[in-house]
Amino acid sequence: DAGVTQSPTHLIKTRGQQVTLRCSPKSGHDTVSWYQQALGQGPQFIFQYYEEEERQRGNFPDRFSGHQFPNYSSELNVNALLLGDSALYLCATGQGEQETQYFGPGTRLLVL
Amino acid sequence: AQSVTQPDIHITVSEGASLELRCNYSYGATPYLFWYVQSPGQGLQLLLKYFSGDTLVQGIKGFEAEFKRSQSSFNLRKPSVHWSDAAEYFCAVARRRALTFGSGTRLQVQP
Repeated sequence: DAGVTQSPTHLIKTRGQQVTLRCSPKSGHDTVSWYQQALGQGPQFIFQYYEEEERQRGNFPDRFSGHQFPNYSSELNVNALLLGDSALYLCATGQGEQETQYFGPGTRLLVL
Repeated sequence: AQSVTQPDIHITVSEGASLELRCNYSYGATPYLFWYVQSPGQGLQLLLKYFSGDTLVQGIKGFEAEFKRSQSSFNLRKPSVHWSDAAEYFCAVARRRALTFGSGTRLQVQP
């Protein structure tokens, strides 16, 4: 049983570019949440997708957008990258209304 | 809004010694509480969770945590630490499946 997978593992971009990160949920999971973890800090909630709709959003600008596909996988898009967007981006998945979330290994994004 | 405080940024213990990591939360209703562990450069692994019922919960790797409503605390404990426990530990509270994390406690284990 595969767990949560994310791609790519590492990414380097320059300021102003756009990036797309991908997440495949654990088998049986249909809720996907994205988190940003800056160096030395705890993860911060970006947004959550369920039934292909954004259900909740944290305190992040509209440059951060996402999508959930019919197979429950998800993408996180970040436009007009800033140096401060350099972080580990974590995907967490869960099952329906259940509160427990399981995390993927993350994508480390470096913006130069 | 909910919040989580982990007062200890860094803790060092000797291998075989007991461990307690502190977590305090602020939440208006009955909290859903979690402890996660993160090894360097890795994702987060769920150690244990508290939703309701018995206030002492058991997790993986020999960890346990005790929920104390009167103190708004959910401290993580382990009776005997192993060198492989060295990692960053995060306490979190959930609201509608969105987690709010503390800033983490880095655990160093001395031989």
